[in-house]
Order: sequence, then structure tokens, then C-alpha cells
Amino acid sequence: QVQLQESGPGLVKPSQTLSLTCTVSGGSVSSESYYWSWLRQPAGKGLEWIGRIHASGSTNYNPSLQSRIALSLDTSKSQFSLNLTSVTAADTAVYYCARLRDNWNVFWFDPWGLGTLVTVSS
Amino acid sequence: SSELTQAPAVSVALGQTVRITCQGDSLRKYYASWYQQKPGQAPVFVIYGKNNRPSGIPDRFSGSSSGDTVSLIITGAQAEDEAEYYCSSRDSSGSHLVFGGGTKLTVL
Repeated sequence: QVQLQESGPGLVKPSQTLSLTCTVSGGSVSSESYYWSWLRQPAGKGLEWIGRIHASGSTNYNPSLQSRIALSLDTSKSQFSLNLTSVTAADTAVYYCARLRDNWNVFWFDPWGLGTLVTVSS
Repeated sequence: SSELTQAPAVSVALGQTVRITCQGDSLRKYYASWYQQKPGQAPVFVIYGKNNRPSGIPDRFSGSSSGDTVSLIITGAQAEDEAEYYCSSRDSSGSHLVFGGGTKLTVL
């Protein structure tokens, strides 16, 4: 059974870079069948897709965040990571990692990590 | 504003049937997936495609699609179904993934 676990600082200063890592157990990030994705949810608000990465190295980002995002994959550690630069208070949210299956006309996120709260504050 | 529109809240009497809808132009071309989220928990995947249920999801959950609207249907709603429900699909360009704003389901 595949499980995902987010890790990283819970507090980031404004204008700095938010860095999170998702560790995948029970499965391989090298699988051709899946993408690996980041999502976030500000307190009391809805879900927002951030971006995804495939084992081939291809990435796809939310256009509203594209200029500040970089995703990477470390197959040796079975991890994938998110870097979000120039953060502001608006980036304060619970950040989730999830496995993404994309069959073109339908996709789904499953499973999800438990989520990690990141607060942007000085 | 989201490219997928959901009603903010819906209520249902215990044991009755409820339909949670999600509307968007991209749904004419792409299917959606649905997620249940309870307070303080990560979302759980409940339906994908036309009407497909992952293993472990009760068969009282089903999906339907018509035109630009997809629906999550709960037949015989239980108290434990009280949660926020989100639909997800592609944006109008087809290149990016989006979520509806979520629907809070109350079971009375």
C-alpha cells in the first residue's frame, strides 16, 4: 500500500523560499504509470493544485504559480520536492502531496499525504 | 473564481439521497474525480470518471455526467458522510488541473 509523507519547515519568512519534501513508501516514484503532485489548502478555503512531476522529468505547473515553482524528483530516496520562491502570507496553507493517475480524459489523486501546515510570517 | 462551480452547501436527511453537482465547460470534454474531506483530515478519493468507485468506498456513492455538469450522488446518506466534497477536472485549456470550490454536506 502506497503511503506519502510530507516534511519540511512549518514556518517560512516572507520573500524566502518554501521547500517541502514528500517521501513515498510502498511504491516507486520511478513508475511510468503515475505523476507525483503537490496541492495546498489555505485555512477554511478550497483545494488548489500546485503542480506535478513525472518520472521522465516532465513537469506541469499551475499557471498562477508557475513563475515561482520548481518540482524535482529523487528516485534514489523515493522522494519528490517542492520549492516555492518569494513567498508571502498568501502562501500560508496546508500543503499536501499526492500520487496522480492521469488517463487523459480522467485523472485522480490517490493516495494523499496527511498534509503539513506551512505558515509564512516574520 | 474557479472554472468548476459547486454550490457552497447542501443538506440531506439521514437515509435520503443527495446530489452534489459540479459545473464547468471543460466537463463537456473531460470527466471529473470527486474527493471527500472531513475537518482536519486529508481528502479521500471517492469517485472518478463516468461512475467508477475505488476499492473501499461504499456503494452508496455514485457519479453521473450530463453536458457541462457532473454529479456525486449519495444514496441513503449516513451521518459519517457529513463532509466537504470537491470535484476536480481539467481547465478549459485541458493543460492544467483545477478543483471546484467545494460543497459542505450536512446530514440532518
